[in-house]
Amino acid sequence: EDKVVQSPLSLVVHEGDTVTLNCSYEVTNFRSLLWYKQEKKAPTFLFMLTSSGIEKKSGRLSSILDKKELFSILNITATQTGDSAIYLCAVLFSNTGKLIFGQGTTLQVKP
Amino acid sequence: GAGVSQSPSNKVTEKGKDVELRCDPISGHTALYWYRQSLGQGLEFLIYFQGNSAPDKSGLPSDRFSAERTGGSVSTLTIQRTQQEDSAVYLCASSNAGGSTQQYFGPGTRLTVT
Repeated sequence: EDKVVQSPLSLVVHEGDTVTLNCSYEVTNFRSLLWYKQEKKAPTFLFMLTSSGIEKKSGRLSSILDKKELFSILNITATQTGDSAIYLCAVLFSNTGKLIFGQGTTLQVKP
Repeated sequence: GAGVSQSPSNKVTEKGKDVELRCDPISGHTALYWYRQSLGQGLEFLIYFQGNSAPDKSGLPSDRFSAERTGGSVSTLTIQRTQQEDSAVYLCASSNAGGSTQQYFGPGTRLTVT
């Protein structure tokens, strides 16, 4: 059965801390792995990772994919209260546009 | 520019009634997706439309759920004889090519079945 597992499920940190969110997957027909941030309702796109070992970076956020060990991490440095959200990891299948999502990691950044 | 829009934003219905949820994708996007998010859960894939191809319905949880996409644009998700376990946020997304590009999500419809 195809599955995507995120850890931890929830995390509370203080402003300025660095966090690492994990996503592991077991799927057939893997194409890409995506990270989304969900604050209210609509998830917003962060990264799409297709190749192993190539770090993608956007400001204080970065992510990398390991296709051998079947996982990805999302790093957030110097966290701010505005980073508080649910972070969703999803795997895109190569033979269809279907996305399988993990359960999400709820991050709370305290002032 | 306009993003993905969904209506209604909230819907409360009685158990056993039928509901229709609407999604307007980004203009020009050929792929459209429906997902369901129950409280505290990740997103669950429901159905995927790509151009004129037959939709991928593999995620629909029962035959009470159906969806159509008219004219390659607007989509309607219909739930017949609603049950309390259907209560969730229903999210629609679109992309400009199936399978290869990021999906843009709408704000969702929160469905509550009483």
